[in-house]
Amino acid sequence: GAVVSQHPSWVICKSGTSVKIECRSLDFQATTMFWYRQFPKQSLMLMATSNEGSKATYEQGVEKDKFLINHASLTLSTLTVTSAHPEDSSFYICSGTMRGDTQYFGPGTRLTVL
Amino acid sequence: GESVGLHLPTLSVQEGDNSIINCAYSNSASDYFIWYKQESGKGPQFIIDIRSNMDKRQGQRVTVLLNKTVKHLSLQIAATQPGDSAVYFCAERESYNTDKLIFGTGTRLQVFP
Repeated sequence: GAVVSQHPSWVICKSGTSVKIECRSLDFQATTMFWYRQFPKQSLMLMATSNEGSKATYEQGVEKDKFLINHASLTLSTLTVTSAHPEDSSFYICSGTMRGDTQYFGPGTRLTVL
Repeated sequence: GESVGLHLPTLSVQEGDNSIINCAYSNSASDYFIWYKQESGKGPQFIIDIRSNMDKRQGQRVTVLLNKTVKHLSLQIAATQPGDSAVYFCAERESYNTDKLIFGTGTRLQVFP
């Protein structure tokens, strides 16, 4: 099956610093990658959709200057949380898909901002 | 707005019994549905999918049923095992020309001996 990896799996940072999370599709080319945020005991909340080589499309209420997304290749997308604050602490999950196919998810990244 | 919801937030079943997890959706244009399993601290794992031109699809120990008339989706797990304990999400694709998914609220499946 299609495999998606994320790095790091967890990160702890100080308030005000920036954190970059990588999402890689290991055995397929992801024409589209998605970034989700998940709070404890809640469902996945889509943050943004990114297509390779183009700007990401952000969902309503998601600050694009706060959550920078880059999709430089068909196998790599990055999410940078800029000037992180404690309220940004969450579980961030990416997924990748080939057009018309299922979304395959990464294992998630637990971000804790002190 | 359009939404995907679940009837039961928690389902407890005895090991060996069959489990049925239900999901209601409201977007009549949705053409593709997926069930995901999420274990604690992990990303969602694909279980099974079904397209809107089908009403049933079977996998290994799992069956997905789609009733478009009442906009209802269900996941049946046969001979439920302790390893099936997780949160299960249904998801629908908004329309044929997007890959974006709408997720339901999730159902926690607890399997007891």
